Amino acid sequence: DAMVIQNPRYQVTQFGKPVTLSCSQTLNHNVMYWYQQKSSQAPKLLFHYYDKDFNNEADTPDNFQSRRPNTSFCFLDIRSPGLGDAAMYLCATSRDVILAKNIQYFGAGTRLSVL
Amino acid sequence: DAKTTQPTSMDCAEGRAANLPCNHSTISGNEYVYWYRQIHSQGPQYIIHGLKNNETNEMASLIITEDRKSSTLILPHATLRDTAVYYCIVRAYSGTYKYIFGTGTRLKVLA
Repeated sequence: DAMVIQNPRYQVTQFGKPVTLSCSQTLNHNVMYWYQQKSSQAPKLLFHYYDKDFNNEADTPDNFQSRRPNTSFCFLDIRSPGLGDAAMYLCATSRDVILAKNIQYFGAGTRLSVL
Repeated sequence: DAKTTQPTSMDCAEGRAANLPCNHSTISGNEYVYWYRQIHSQGPQYIIHGLKNNETNEMASLIITEDRKSSTLILPHATLRDTAVYYCIVRAYSGTYKYIFGTGTRLKVLA
C-alpha cells in the first residue's frame, strides 16, 4: 500500500500558467520534503516542512512555494512555470529531521511538462 | 559538506552478486549512511542504512569500513529487476539537516 501518494503522476501545463502538485501521506510523519529531479540528475531539495515550520533551501527560486494545511497533505505551487521547470517532482516524508537515523520515504513522483 | 562519490555505472550478470562501492570520507561521527535505488520514472526506494556495523536485510547487505570512510552495498543475487540507479546518501547540516545525494551508480543487470 502506497504510504506517500503523489497526484497526478503526470502533469502538463503551459508556460507561465500556475500549477499545483499534491502529496499526501499515511505515515503521520512530522516532516515533508519536496525535491526536484531533472533528467539524469540526482534529486535536489527545494524545501521541507517540519510540522508547520517551513524551511526553504537558499537556492530555491521564489517561483516555487509550498503549503502544508495539515499533517497529511503538502502542496507544491509553481507560480509561473518556465521551460526550465520541466522535471520530476518528488515528495518525501520522515519522522523527524534532527535524529541521526532519519529514513525518508518517497512518493512515485509527478512528472511535469511545460509547453 | 559531507558528500559521497560513486562510480557512474556498473554491469552485473544476472544471478551474480552486485557490489556497489561508495566513498564518504568526510562523514561525521554520528551520521548514518543510507542507500536508495531509483528505478526508471519512479521515486527513490529505501534499501538499507548503517552507522558502524555491517547490516543485512531482505534486500541487501551493507559493509562499512572500520574508519567509516567508505561502504559497499551488496545485492547477493542480482536479478533483471535490480537494474536501477543506486544512491549512497549521507546527511549534512546547513541550517538544518538534509540528505546529500551523490550522482549515483547506474547498475545494469545483464541476462
